[in-house]
Amino acid sequence: SQKIEQNSEALNIQEGKTATLTCNYTNYSPAYLQWYRQDPGRGPVFLLLIRENEKEKRKERLKVTFDTTLKQSLFHITASQPADSATYLCALDSSGGSYIPTFGRGTSLIVHP
Amino acid sequence: KAGVTQTPRYLIKTRGQQVTLSCSPISGHRSVSWYQQTPGQGLQFLFEYFSETQRNKGNFPGRFSGRQFSNSRSEMNVSTLELGDSALYLCASSSGQPPSSGANVLTFGAGSRLTVL
Repeated sequence: SQKIEQNSEALNIQEGKTATLTCNYTNYSPAYLQWYRQDPGRGPVFLLLIRENEKEKRKERLKVTFDTTLKQSLFHITASQPADSATYLCALDSSGGSYIPTFGRGTSLIVHP
Repeated sequence: KAGVTQTPRYLIKTRGQQVTLSCSPISGHRSVSWYQQTPGQGLQFLFEYFSETQRNKGNFPGRFSGRQFSNSRSEMNVSTLELGDSALYLCASSSGQPPSSGANVLTFGAGSRLTVL
């Protein structure tokens, strides 16, 4: 069956360090992978999109990598700040061309000052 | 431009009742998707509407239904509420273009928090 796995344990890091979040998937052949940020009680907010033929994408302090061989995406936040504390969700476009994103359960990031 | 607006933000119902949630998408967006979010299951896709037609459907029972109006606003309804329906219901809009045009990037509303007692 199809699975999208994100670490369920919260990631705690110190301010200024690089946070790295992982998204693994099985039985998918996604054309796109997206990352969203969700704050408590709010809806997810789109951050970055990477295509299957792209290895890496950057936006300001954010970097996403996509390895279709390993079936894994890594999401990096450099020079992390307490304001980066949130839950980060990865989403893959569904197989079969319905292009409805399927979401992982997200990883909570806590940046300590 | 205005974001996705969901109403009501919070509501409390009892088992057996029904509920209707409303979503106003971003102006110009023709696709509206609904998701249910719970701590145990994460974000689960309910259905997607495009130009007043249900285009995709998730794996939820028939108690969950929706519709879309000609101005792209959407409503979802849950009948015969169960305790397990307590969740954050999220609406998301997008341009809804075919897959060949690119990824389906979603803009979410703040959600409607439903508590069933």
